[in-house]
Order: sequence, then structure tokens, then C-alpha cells
Amino acid sequence: AQSVTQLGSHVSVSEGALVLLRCNYSSSVPPYLFWYVQYPNQGLQLLLKYTTGATLVKGINGFEAEFKKSETSFHLTKPSAHMSDAAEYFCAVRRPGGYQKVTFGTGTKLQVIP
Amino acid sequence: DAMVIQNPRYQVTQFGKPVTLSCSQTLNHNVMYWYQQKSSQAPKLLFHYYDKDFNNEADTPDNFQSRRPNTSFCFLDIRSPGLGDAAMYLCATSLENSPLHFGNGTRLTVT
Repeated sequence: AQSVTQLGSHVSVSEGALVLLRCNYSSSVPPYLFWYVQYPNQGLQLLLKYTTGATLVKGINGFEAEFKKSETSFHLTKPSAHMSDAAEYFCAVRRPGGYQKVTFGTGTKLQVIP
Repeated sequence: DAMVIQNPRYQVTQFGKPVTLSCSQTLNHNVMYWYQQKSSQAPKLLFHYYDKDFNNEADTPDNFQSRRPNTSFCFLDIRSPGLGDAAMYLCATSLENSPLHFGNGTRLTVT
């Protein structure tokens, strides 16, 4: 079985401040990990993914995440928050190899304060 | 641009009146999914098609059905919508184990 836990359903940061959204996973095999962003009344958009190789992955809109096997974590960061980053963020996990079901976390709503 | 398109964006139906939501894709992905997402919750997988093979999640109510007449199109049929079925319905596609590509969703209101 696999699962992800996102700590904090709501996170508020000031514009220009560091964004840190936390995700911990549980998987019986080395997983593939993803972060998706959802703006109001829209679908989910892929921000970044980790499959194999470099553990620090860069995504769109200045976001990055680091896969830490020892901590079973895949936290999302951005050095400086913009107002346009206000959205809901979902961490997701799947097993590698062929078709595998994706499991989503419960989401973190990011508020950016001017 | 290749994409996943859902129609309509907003759908209002009456309690018990059948409704169909549609999804089309130009990505030529072999896997298509339907997710239900209620307010401030994670998307919940209802079912998916792997090529022509239909895969139902164990906890998906019988009230929800799906059709995939060809690679590009997939439909979600709700036979007798209840108030609890009001939600955003998201269609997604993938190619084998590639990341999911989502449409913009259909927000269903049941009156």
C-alpha cells in the first residue's frame, strides 16, 4: 500500500517569503512522487515529479522539491512567494513500473498575504 | 496544444435526473480516469480505462457508470444524481506510468 500525508491543510506566507509545503510518503518500494497545483475551479496541473536520478527536482513557476529517502519526505519549496502562487497543492505518489494507481494527499491551501 | 477537454464546465441537474459529463483528449493517451473532488478534498478516483479495459474502484457507487467509445472520448454517466453527488468531476489521462494530465473539470450542481 502507498500513501501520502500533507502536514497543514492551510499555509499562509507573506509575499516574498519562503514557501514550504510538507509531504511525507509511505511506500513499500521506491516511489514516484509528484506535486500538482490546483487553481480555483480548474483541474490539477503538474508542478514537478521525481522518478529516479537527481533527488532535487525543479518544476514550473520556480518551485522545487527534494526527495529524501531517509526522511520519507518530498517537501515543496519556493524561495519567494508571489500572489499568483495562491492555490491548493497536492502531493501524490505512485509505484513505478507500467500502469500504477496514483494516490493523492489531502491538499494544502496556500494563502499569500500582500 | 494537446489537451484534455471537459464539457460542460458547469452542469446543473435535478435530483434523480440522469446526467452525462464528457471528456475528450488529443494526447493519444491510453489511460483515462474519472475523479470526483468535493470541496477542499483530494480527488477521489471513481474508475479508469486502461485502453478498452474498464476498472471500477471498489467503493464507487453503482449510480456512476462510464463509457469509452474510442481512444479520444470518455463519458461519465450518473444515473440518478443525489444531493451528495454535487462535486467537481475531473477527467485525466496518462500514457502508462506518465504523470496525469487533467482537464479543467465539470462542476456539477444537483438541485
